[in-house]
Amino acid sequence: TQLLEQSPQFLSIQEGENLTVYCNSSSVFSSLQWYRQEPGEGPVLLVTVVTGGEVKKLKRLTFQFGDARKDSSLHITAAQPGDTGLYLCAGAQSGGSNYKLTFGKGTLLTVNP
Amino acid sequence: KAGVTQTPRYLIKTRGQQVTLSCSPISGHRSVSWYQQTPGQGLQFLFEYFSETQRNKGNFPGRFSGRQFSNSRSEMNVSTLELGDSALYLCASSLGGVTNGYTFGSGTRLTVV
Repeated sequence: TQLLEQSPQFLSIQEGENLTVYCNSSSVFSSLQWYRQEPGEGPVLLVTVVTGGEVKKLKRLTFQFGDARKDSSLHITAAQPGDTGLYLCAGAQSGGSNYKLTFGKGTLLTVNP
Repeated sequence: KAGVTQTPRYLIKTRGQQVTLSCSPISGHRSVSWYQQTPGQGLQFLFEYFSETQRNKGNFPGRFSGRQFSNSRSEMNVSTLELGDSALYLCASSLGGVTNGYTFGSGTRLTVV
């Protein structure tokens, strides 16, 4: 069972459209991070959210952390071809020696010109 | 500042051989984590080191091992390679706290034939 469920798994849209990607879990996280990965490269950190209910904006990207710190969403406004990539959410848990970052399987976004 | 450096970028090995991958973290980062990425399973956590101590380990067989040196550089070793070990191996460094994001290297693409 995947600790973090991302949906949708694949998304293909036209330039200018809006979209939302979801990241859900039954576990509580100390923080939730979003990454974007392009082919042949490692993931690149977009944002870290820490407080339940927190909303962060990064240009056309809006990230929200659920009140219970179990889920998160990423909303992109007016998507552009440069937004194409694999979007990954990752939850951080810590308990003494049990620190680790667990990743969802990702949402592969394709924005067509 | 320099990013996370992983060497080699590409590697082809034969079943039964062993392999050592190297990771140089960002200067000042004491935490190094390793992940295996495959199309079917996404990013799977291997282990995390902090100041030369392994703090956490994922659900991989004992053939997968790692270590961290006093300068925070890390290596991972896979012995008795199997075809299923073919994957992108990613290293990430961070300051170590649950609210600190990861900086990933570009990965080592391992192909086992």
